[in-house]
Amino acid sequence: NAGVMQNPRHLVRRRGQEARLRCSPMKGHSHVYWYRQLPEEGLKFMVYLQKENIIDESGMPKERFSAEFPKEGPSILRIQQVVRGDSAAYFCASSRGLAGDGETQYFGPGTRLLVL
Amino acid sequence: GDSVTQMEGPVTLSEEAFLTINCTYTATGYPSLFWYVQYPGEGLQLLLKATKADDKGSNKGFEATYRKETTSFHLEKGSVQVSDSAVYFCALTSNSGGSNYKLTFGKGTLLTVNP
Repeated sequence: NAGVMQNPRHLVRRRGQEARLRCSPMKGHSHVYWYRQLPEEGLKFMVYLQKENIIDESGMPKERFSAEFPKEGPSILRIQQVVRGDSAAYFCASSRGLAGDGETQYFGPGTRLLVL
Repeated sequence: GDSVTQMEGPVTLSEEAFLTINCTYTATGYPSLFWYVQYPGEGLQLLLKATKADDKGSNKGFEATYRKETTSFHLEKGSVQVSDSAVYFCALTSNSGGSNYKLTFGKGTLLTVNP
């Protein structure tokens, strides 16, 4: 009964590098959500994916950020050419069905990204 | 847009004290309301929820009542334990616009309970 797994738990990057954050949903869950928590802020929705499909990316910055959830393997949040303002905690959640239809979102422990 | 405002922390209490963490919200339509808890080093866990006005969510001795007239969902516990030390997040989903899967969170309140 493993929960939502995220790795790495901590990631340090220099400005201009790429960051790849991974999320393995709970077994049997096919819906994945990414949230970002900037310092002194609440978690904010970024993107909602189902297997091989991006359903809603309305919370994603328009440039440098992308997300995928392939048929096999974890969901990946990719940040290209990181800047200091990307430093934040990134949380992944998963649900069996569509959250909001009575399905609970289960969260991972987060990845803390620090950009130097 | 939707927003959640919760009590600034940190909150420090002695064991067996009464806990209140205030939460108010702004949302279109009829939101569902949630409290999540994050223990050190772990992910957020759903603590309780309420989906309509006057509903009371409860779990592990915690409770919160959905008050539409005051747009509030305050978290309470009658007697806290050291093991309740964690960060507590108030959140909502709004059922307008067809995106009721998007959680909108408050900033979180750090609770420390001393023995």
